[in-house]
Amino acid sequence: GAVVSQHPSWVICKSGTSVKIECRSLDFQATTMFWYRQFPKQSLMLMATSNEGSKATYEQGVEKDKFLINHASLTLSTLTVTSAHPEDSSFYICSAKKGAGRGYNEQFFGPGTRLTVL
Amino acid sequence: AQKVTQAQTEISVVEKEDVTLDCVYETRDTTYYLFWYKQPPSGELVFLIRRNSFDEQNEISGRYSWNFQKSTSSFNFTITASQVVDSAVYFCALSEHAVSGNQFYFGTGTSLTVIP
Repeated sequence: GAVVSQHPSWVICKSGTSVKIECRSLDFQATTMFWYRQFPKQSLMLMATSNEGSKATYEQGVEKDKFLINHASLTLSTLTVTSAHPEDSSFYICSAKKGAGRGYNEQFFGPGTRLTVL
Repeated sequence: AQKVTQAQTEISVVEKEDVTLDCVYETRDTTYYLFWYKQPPSGELVFLIRRNSFDEQNEISGRYSWNFQKSTSSFNFTITASQVVDSAVYFCALSEHAVSGNQFYFGTGTSLTVIP
């Protein structure tokens, strides 16, 4: 099956610093990628939809200036958590959609990145 | 409104027992897809199954089986003869075709503990 990677798998940073998380589709091109956040013992919540070559679409309540998304190529989307604070500590998961046709386009999830802000 | 409801937050069973995880969904789309994922402690989502809205056939894969009923908007998941390795959080998810560009709506998850 298709593979989506995330880097880093875990990161610890100090409050106030910025952290960049990469999401890569390794063996397919993804015009659309999604970023999810999962707090402990909670569900995955969609943060934003990332489209290659255009601005990301953010879900209600997600600060676009804090969570910067860049989808500069068909295989890479990045999420930058700017000025991270302890409440941003979470598990961040991306998914990449394979294809952009009218029918169903399979999505593949990355392994997730665990962010801890001290 | 919650599009996917998993009413069971936590379930504990003794090894070899059968267990059913419930999932109820809500959509106005005529074309949609339903999924089950397993999330072990490592956090990585493990894909288990996808069904589209036009295929109501039940499916069996080894000890896993799924019951899709459009009449009740349910997509339940049964593990037969549970094993300790089945312990994980299980998520049911919905993807709508027309409305949302295939974004996923996840249920709140059911944490399954299989006791040896």
